[in-house]
Amino acid sequence: DSGVTQTPKHLITATGQRVTLRCSPRSGDLSVYWYQQSLDQGLQFLIQYYNGEERAKGNILERFSAQQFPDLHSELNLSSLELGDSALYFCASSPSGQGYNEQFFGPGTRLTVL
Amino acid sequence: GEDVEQSLFLSVREGDSSVINCTYTDSSSTYLYWYKQEPGAGLQLLTYIFSNMDMKQDQRLTVLLNKKDKHLSLRIADTQTGDSAIYFCAESGSSASKIIFGSGTRLSIRP
Repeated sequence: DSGVTQTPKHLITATGQRVTLRCSPRSGDLSVYWYQQSLDQGLQFLIQYYNGEERAKGNILERFSAQQFPDLHSELNLSSLELGDSALYFCASSPSGQGYNEQFFGPGTRLTVL
Repeated sequence: GEDVEQSLFLSVREGDSSVINCTYTDSSSTYLYWYKQEPGAGLQLLTYIFSNMDMKQDQRLTVLLNKKDKHLSLRIADTQTGDSAIYFCAESGSSASKIIFGSGTRLSIRP
């Protein structure tokens, strides 16, 4: 158990819909990262927040957005869903956002878009 | 841009050594990592190496770094069925906040 929790574990929805994925980092970790893992794209970094502020952006679509709240939990919002958005979405956390940077991964949310 | 590449599959016999290779493009990489993903789980850090090191050993794991060729390898000695997983190579810079992951190598063990 990494100490990072993600909800829900599974999500099935239809094209065009909007969903919110939630992540609670390990106690004390200030940084949260979101990743998308799909069979054809591998593990793609989406976005990082550090202590409530966006720190780095990766291959995140404009239809996706995220935020980190004062209690440090984070949400990833996916809208206008397409079939290709079906994937495993991981959240990871780390104590800081720089340097040696062990990230602790949650168990993931599996999103299926029908 | 930054890129990390690794082969997709590796099959080894139980008891043999496994060697998983990785190449990266960012010459300013400071930290290089190996993460393991077991079926149905998130990634877990196995080991890491600083770019000023050539080798790091941790029990059955040996990491070799050739900085000139930007080549990283992970050797698992006496491979067991519990080592079946996807292994991700990753890198980050000293001030960079994000880690760049490779596509993962699926290691399968045959009896």
